[in-house]
Amino acid sequence: GAVVSQHPSWVICKSGTSVKIECRSLDFQATTMFWYRQFPKQSLMLMATSNEGSKATYEQGVEKDKFLINHASLTLSTLTVTSAHPEDSSFYICSARKMTTPFHQPQHFGDGTRLSIL
Amino acid sequence: ILNVEQSPQSLHVQEGDSTNFTCSFPSSNFYALHWYRWETAKSPEALFVMTLNGDEKKKGRISATLNTKEGYSYLYIKGSQPEDSATYLCAFGPGTYKYIFGTGTRLKVLA
Repeated sequence: GAVVSQHPSWVICKSGTSVKIECRSLDFQATTMFWYRQFPKQSLMLMATSNEGSKATYEQGVEKDKFLINHASLTLSTLTVTSAHPEDSSFYICSARKMTTPFHQPQHFGDGTRLSIL
Repeated sequence: ILNVEQSPQSLHVQEGDSTNFTCSFPSSNFYALHWYRWETAKSPEALFVMTLNGDEKKKGRISATLNTKEGYSYLYIKGSQPEDSATYLCAFGPGTYKYIFGTGTRLKVLA
C-alpha cells in the first residue's frame, strides 16, 4: 500500500504557459501533501505543505502567486506553475502522509515531474 | 539555516564490496531521521526510520546507525550488488514540521 501517483512525468512547454502537476494518493487518504523542487546537484527543497481543505503553507522565498497549490480532496493535490519561465525549469516531486501516520514515519513520494520551459 | 550533508556525493564499488556513507545533521533538536533509496525514474523508497540515539536498523544487507549527540548517521551495504545502484537520501527532522534532505550519495555497483 501507500502508492502516490504524480502526473505528468515530463513537461516541455513554451515560456508564459501555465503548467499543472497532479499528485494523487491511490490507496490511502492524505491530509497533508508536500511539494518539493530539486535543481541539478542540489537537495530536495520543500516548497510548500498542502493541507486538505485549507490554504497551503509556503516556505520562505517561494512565491505563492507563482506556484498555486490546491488540495481539494483527501487524495489529490495540484501544483500549478503559472506563467512559467526558463528559470522555473526543474524537477518537482510530491509526497503524501497518511491521515493517521505519526510525523516520525516517512513520506510516500510520487515519481516526480521534469519541467522544461523553452 | 539547518544543513544536512551527505558524503561522499558519489562512489563506484565492485560487486561484492561493502560500503558505507554518512549523513551529518545538526545535533540539536533531533526528532527523526529517514533514509531513502531512490532509483532512477522511480520514487524514493523509505529504508529506515531512526528516532533514538544509538539506533541500529537492518534490512537484509543494508543497515544504519544513528548518533544524535554528534549529529551523524551511517548507512552500510554489505556485499554490494548491481541492484543496489541508486541514490541514497537522508532526511533530518528537527521537529513535527518538515524534513530537510541531504543531496544524496549516488552509488554505482559494477558487475
